[in-house]
Amino acid sequence: AQTVTQSQPEMSVQEAETVTLSCTYDTSESDYYLFWYKQPPSRQMILVIRQEAYKQQNATENRFSVNFQKAAKSFSLKISDSQLGDAAMYFCAYHPPRGTSYGKLTFGQGTILTVHP
Amino acid sequence: NAGVTQTPKFRILKIGQSMTLQCAQDMNHNYMYWYRQDPGMGLKLIYYSVGAGITDKGEVPNGYNVSRSTTEDFPLRLELAAPSQTSVYFCASRMGQGTEAFFGQGTRLTVV
Repeated sequence: AQTVTQSQPEMSVQEAETVTLSCTYDTSESDYYLFWYKQPPSRQMILVIRQEAYKQQNATENRFSVNFQKAAKSFSLKISDSQLGDAAMYFCAYHPPRGTSYGKLTFGQGTILTVHP
Repeated sequence: NAGVTQTPKFRILKIGQSMTLQCAQDMNHNYMYWYRQDPGMGLKLIYYSVGAGITDKGEVPNGYNVSRSTTEDFPLRLELAAPSQTSVYFCASRMGQGTEAFFGQGTRLTVV
């Protein structure tokens, strides 16, 4: 079974600074998907960014970008110019290749991000 | 556009009681999922469905049951509630594999 590990239970950052959240995963597949989800205190799960493993280019969404290292099975999230609204729990999730496992996501344990003004 | 709607948002159950968590989506998604999130942990898959009439077990199905009679609805049934089922439950749906999963706002369930 796939596993996803987020080794940082908590992180903190000053407003306007940059922070990187770590995620590693274990798979024998070559074509899969990776996601970062944000869960603010409201509990709503919000998609932050999506990466397709066959694409070498790192995904970017405004202030959010990833460093996808396929050989190392690493998928870190970089948040630039941090804002108070970025404070949340962040989850890394693995999605198996299409045609297998019906799109079931495997989640990491989460990282709580605190943003200091 | 309502997306994924879960009801209720909060519920307290006594040990041995039963209840159904409702989940409805209005996006015509085929794939639907139920996850539970225990404190300080990631989400774990309980059951999933790939279309009306088709369901299967996930990682932690014991003590739960599901049905999928329509594309829109995917209720989760808890029989004989136990304290170990105290958790936050999320329903999610997606159009196809590899696409974004949309989540409901969750149901916080406490079994006492």
